[in-house]
Amino acid sequence: EVQLVESGGGLVQPGGSLRLSCAASGFTLSNYRMNWLRQAPGKGLEWVANIKEDGREIHYVDSVKGRFTISRDNAKNSLYLQMNSLTAEDTAVYYCARGFGVSHWGQGTLVTVSS
Amino acid sequence: DIQMTQSPSSLSASVGDRVTITCRASQGISNYLAWFQQKPGKAPKSLIYVASSLQSGVPSRFSGSGSGTDFTLTISSLQPEDFATYYCQQYNDYPLTFGGGTKVEIK
Repeated sequence: EVQLVESGGGLVQPGGSLRLSCAASGFTLSNYRMNWLRQAPGKGLEWVANIKEDGREIHYVDSVKGRFTISRDNAKNSLYLQMNSLTAEDTAVYYCARGFGVSHWGQGTLVTVSS
Repeated sequence: DIQMTQSPSSLSASVGDRVTITCRASQGISNYLAWFQQKPGKAPKSLIYVASSLQSGVPSRFSGSGSGTDFTLTISSLQPEDFATYYCQQYNDYPLTFGGGTKVEIK
């Protein structure tokens, strides 16, 4: 069974940093492009970033470029999102998701940016 | 950026009804279109990819069609568990973008 489990969310002050992790199981991570997406409270879905199977191709939504870094460790079956210079607008549930046409989602981890 | 416009933004329907949701892209996206279902407080669930292919385990009452700029999601006979919000997403070009969502409510 495919499972994606995010962790690392929490409360952080504006300007702070947080690192999200996504533990993958039930499939071979190295065979899939992986994504981070988010959903602000009461809002719709927003794609944040994705990373190709071998990590050599990465894309970001403009609003996080230069602040967020997506990475992966296929040997550890893990996906990461390093988030720096956080603002209130980054407050959201963050999901990791498998595939270019997403097939599976994690349960999400809540990031709250507030003083 | 490619804008995805869903309509309607909400609808009321009864169990057994046929429901159609449309999604229009601001430019052609071939068939790189996915549909997702989300229930309150839950993670999204993937329904359809490449416009018309059902993800594994998705009931056959769900179907998708379209290509280019105009797409539809159809639920042939609405079931109680189908009341949710539905989103389309294009993955033809970066940034990947979503429609605003369609909330399907009980009439």
